[in-house]
Amino acid sequence: EVQLVESGGAVVQPGESLRLSCAASGFRFDDYSMHWVRQAPGKGLEWVSLINWDGGTMYYADSVKGRFTISRDNSRNSLYLQMNSLTTEDTALYYCAKAATTSPRYYFDYWGHGTLVTVSS
Amino acid sequence: EIVLTQSPATLSLSPGERATLSCRASQSVSSFLVWYKQKPGQAPRLLIYDASNRATGIPARFSGSGSGTDFTLSISSLEPEDFAVYYCQQRSNWPPTFGGGTKVEIK
Repeated sequence: EVQLVESGGAVVQPGESLRLSCAASGFRFDDYSMHWVRQAPGKGLEWVSLINWDGGTMYYADSVKGRFTISRDNSRNSLYLQMNSLTTEDTALYYCAKAATTSPRYYFDYWGHGTLVTVSS
Repeated sequence: EIVLTQSPATLSLSPGERATLSCRASQSVSSFLVWYKQKPGQAPRLLIYDASNRATGIPARFSGSGSGTDFTLSISSLEPEDFAVYYCQQRSNWPPTFGGGTKVEIK
């Protein structure tokens, strides 16, 4: 059974940093790209970042580019998101999501339950 | 980036009725359109990929259609567990983008 379990969410002040983690199990982690998708309270879904299977390629939404860094450790079946210079606009539930195929046209077949990041002064 | 517009924002129906949800893209996405269902407090669940293919374990009452810019998700007869928010997502162009969602609520 595929499982994705996020952790690391917290309440932080604007300008602070946070590191999210996602522990994966039930599939060959190093076969698939992995993504972060976020959902602001009461809002829709926003794709945030992707990392390819070997960690050699990363992409970011314009809204987080230069502030967030995605990484993975295939030996630990884990995905990470380093979030710096946080603003109130980053307040959201952050989901870890598995790419459904190895195609570069991405969609997501498994999602974690999310970890909540609240940025507030 | 491609903008997806979902309509209506809210659909009020009774169990057993048919639901028809729309997703319109700002430019053609061919058939690279995906649907998810999200219940309150839960993660999104994949329903339909590439416009019309049901994901594993999805009941046959869910069907998707369309191509280019106009897509439809249909639920033939609403079950209690179908009352939720539905999102479309395009995987044709970079970056992947989502629609704003349609809430299917009990009338």
